[in-house]
Amino acid sequence: NAGVMQNPRHLVRRRGQEARLRCSPMKGHSHVYWYRQLPEEGLKFMVYLQKENIIDESGMPKERFSAEFPKEGPSILRIQQVVRGDSAAYFCASSPDVNTGELFFGEGSRLTVL
Amino acid sequence: AQSVTQLDSQVPVFEEAPVELRCNYSSSVSVYLFWYVQYPNQGLQLLLKYLSGSTLVKGINGFEAEFNKSQTSFHLRKPSVHISDTAEYFCASYPSGGSYIPTFGRGTSLIVHP
Repeated sequence: NAGVMQNPRHLVRRRGQEARLRCSPMKGHSHVYWYRQLPEEGLKFMVYLQKENIIDESGMPKERFSAEFPKEGPSILRIQQVVRGDSAAYFCASSPDVNTGELFFGEGSRLTVL
Repeated sequence: AQSVTQLDSQVPVFEEAPVELRCNYSSSVSVYLFWYVQYPNQGLQLLLKYLSGSTLVKGINGFEAEFNKSQTSFHLRKPSVHISDTAEYFCASYPSGGSYIPTFGRGTSLIVHP
């Protein structure tokens, strides 16, 4: 059973470009979370999705950031018009249900904005 | 609202010495509690979890944690550390009803010296 797959692992963008980060959850998992990790700041919640639905996006900036989890295919975190402050590691985690709160993490996508 | 406080950002320790990583939580509802470990350039892996029952929880790699409701703490311990335990450790809480968003502490960097 493959784990949570994230790609790309590393992404370099210039200011103003778009970044698309993909996440394929573990088989059978229909709950996906995105977190951002900055040095010395730990993991910050961004968005929680179930198939085709955004359940909670309270941690995601209202501008330039969007997320989706379509019926078919991976979840995508999209950052438009990137700025240097978007440089961070973005982690996706999946869960089979909401009863236990245990998350299964991918290895992360490290975004560098030049 | 939930919050998780990891009191130490960095804990240096010598190999084979005992270690305790501290975690305190705050929540208006009952929570489940977790410890995750993150090795360099990797995602988070579950070490152990407390859902209910015995307050002493044993996890992988010889780690254990004790849930203390009166002190709202969930400290992680290991009686004898190895060099390979050098990593970032995250404490997390999850409300047992509603919200469905795990909250993470800022992390504690465990550095094991030979």
